Amino acid sequence: DIQMTQSPSTLSASVGDIVTITCRASQTISTWLAWYQQKPGTAPKLLIYDASYLQSGVPSRFGGSGSGTEFTLTISGLLPDDFATYYCQQYESISPTFGPGTKVEIK
Amino acid sequence: EVQLVESGGGLIQPGGSLRLSCAVSGLTVSSTYMSWVRQAPGKGLEWLSVIYSDGQIQYADSVRGRFTISRDNSENTVYLQMDSLRADDSAVYYCVRSRRWTTPFDYWGQGTLVTVSS
Repeated sequence: DIQMTQSPSTLSASVGDIVTITCRASQTISTWLAWYQQKPGTAPKLLIYDASYLQSGVPSRFGGSGSGTEFTLTISGLLPDDFATYYCQQYESISPTFGPGTKVEIK
Repeated sequence: EVQLVESGGGLIQPGGSLRLSCAVSGLTVSSTYMSWVRQAPGKGLEWLSVIYSDGQIQYADSVRGRFTISRDNSENTVYLQMDSLRADDSAVYYCVRSRRWTTPFDYWGQGTLVTVSS
């Protein structure tokens, strides 16, 4: 299976900050990567697909980049609604795998 | 509007069986890929199984031989039969949709909680 890692595991930030989360794959996955946001007690929500494409309805302050094995999720101008846990996921292989998550907390 | 509604979770003893259901509206399960993903309490996400539009099936190593995915096209419902349950199968189980090969999970159900404990 393709292993996914994320850094940092926890991120403390303030409203208005620009935050960046990194995701790495154990082997190349081209751009077959998605980012999800999850709030406590709710299902994950798709934010970004194919590494850099914004899912319909997702605010433009969310952005994704990368290819191969290294990817980033950037939130430009953190809002109170953005404090959540973020997961990356590869769908290049038959067995999709997720990163361990990055929790974005209020500083 | 697309809706995925899971049911069937609950408390079950180790070694027992449970069948989860995912009733789908707004899309046709036989025309898309339907998967199950779980999340243990306080933990990350783990993909378990997929049934493709052509009926082919894949499983994660952690559940192969114990879990069985199926669908009922007439009911537009996907199932996960879980046998030989263990304590580490305790999790929220989500039904999710991907459009086809190499596409992300764009629709998620609300999840159903399975607790395996004596």
